[in-house]
Amino acid sequence: DQQVKQNSPSLSVQEGRISILNCDYTNSMFDYFLWYKKYPAEGPTFLISISSIKDKNEDGRFTVFLNKSAKHLSLHIVPSQPGDSAVYFCAANSGGSNYKLTFGKGTLLTVNP
Amino acid sequence: NAGVTQTPKFRVLKTGQSMTLLCAQDMNHEYMYWYRQDPGMGLRLIHYSVGEGTTAKGEVPDGYNVSRLKKQNFLLGLESAAPSQTSVYFCASSYGSRKSSYEQYFGPGTRLTVT
Repeated sequence: DQQVKQNSPSLSVQEGRISILNCDYTNSMFDYFLWYKKYPAEGPTFLISISSIKDKNEDGRFTVFLNKSAKHLSLHIVPSQPGDSAVYFCAANSGGSNYKLTFGKGTLLTVNP
Repeated sequence: NAGVTQTPKFRVLKTGQSMTLLCAQDMNHEYMYWYRQDPGMGLRLIHYSVGEGTTAKGEVPDGYNVSRLKKQNFLLGLESAAPSQTSVYFCASSYGSRKSSYEQYFGPGTRLTVT
């Protein structure tokens, strides 16, 4: 049972436009969400996170939105740059003393110059 | 700080051979994890450790063993490699407190091919 779903395997956008990556989850116990970015032949790197007590978190060009009632979160990148081309993973945690993350399958973002 | 390092970076094994992947972190993290990444499957947790001397099973533990004899090291062993274990393996570590918001720090990965 896939608890964190990224239904779009890939996304292509033009440089300067907005990139929107989506993530859905099924486990109502999840209360913390993270986005990771991964370049080929490298390990994932942390990008941005959001707690379930918030509905938005912003860091520079990156904004994450959380809709708890819909069990949906999205990552917005504005403006998109060619260097943003990577695989983006959504991850979730159920809090407390459990520090395990459950990852989605990832979305490959390609930003075209 | 080197962060999280993994050795080796690449390895080719024959079916039935054994090997150990080494992960080291210099951030004094309590928690350490081993994941595998396969095409279209995302990151799946193999085993994890919540402290020196402790280990626990993750989502896909079969065929693997782990040990955490020192806080900074987490070893992943394959006793009898199978082609299904061809994958990219990532080690990660994290603080054991809410302070860092569950963020995990990843190593660069080990690409393993079993023929």
